[in-house]
Amino acid sequence: SQQGEEDPQALSIQEGENATMNCSYKTSINNLQWYRQNSGRGLVHLILIRSNEREKHSGRLRVTLDTSKKSSSLLITASRAADTASYFCATEPTMDSSYKLIFGSGTRLLVRP
Amino acid sequence: DAMVIQNPRYQVTQFGKPVTLSCSQTLNHNVMYWYQQKSSQAPKLLFHYYDKDFNNEADTPDNFQSRRPNTSFCFLDIRSPGLGDAAMYLCATSRDTGRMYEQYFGPGTRLTVT
Repeated sequence: SQQGEEDPQALSIQEGENATMNCSYKTSINNLQWYRQNSGRGLVHLILIRSNEREKHSGRLRVTLDTSKKSSSLLITASRAADTASYFCATEPTMDSSYKLIFGSGTRLLVRP
Repeated sequence: DAMVIQNPRYQVTQFGKPVTLSCSQTLNHNVMYWYQQKSSQAPKLLFHYYDKDFNNEADTPDNFQSRRPNTSFCFLDIRSPGLGDAAMYLCATSRDTGRMYEQYFGPGTRLTVT
């Protein structure tokens, strides 16, 4: 079964606004990662947050992790039209030792110029 | 630049006609993955290799097989493609650094079944 569920499924904002996407998961994890996918392309790794971390920043990206609630959020500040893409969270479950990631259903972000 | 390459980018095959998708990497990563992704869905892991050890997902159909002749190359064979196998197929790699790793994806091969 799918480990991660993302919310919202789709998000449309104006350029310059902030975009927030949420991810929930079911089992304990070693880490949680966020990926970006432009239409018709492969996924690109954005950021990894470990289970003992609560917040991480990378440029305009801010990721939080709440292991007690089994949830994470990705914030993109000052969005640009080029940020238009699908964003996926992916978790590495603690109990699974086979180097697999479980991907969420994704949020489709549209940034209007 | 080190990267993950998939060929071809677009593949059209006929119903029931075997097809092979290829992936190569210059990253020297020991783990390689094949995912199937259908429109607006999450990537679904089909199988992965840890070095030469093959790990099949329980729900991957027998119609899908894979080969990894060396570290750099990995192939996805679909023995008898059905219409439901039309999808984007993504290859990814990762390096075993203990437990913290990220995956590097190729651009994908979009498979059409006619």
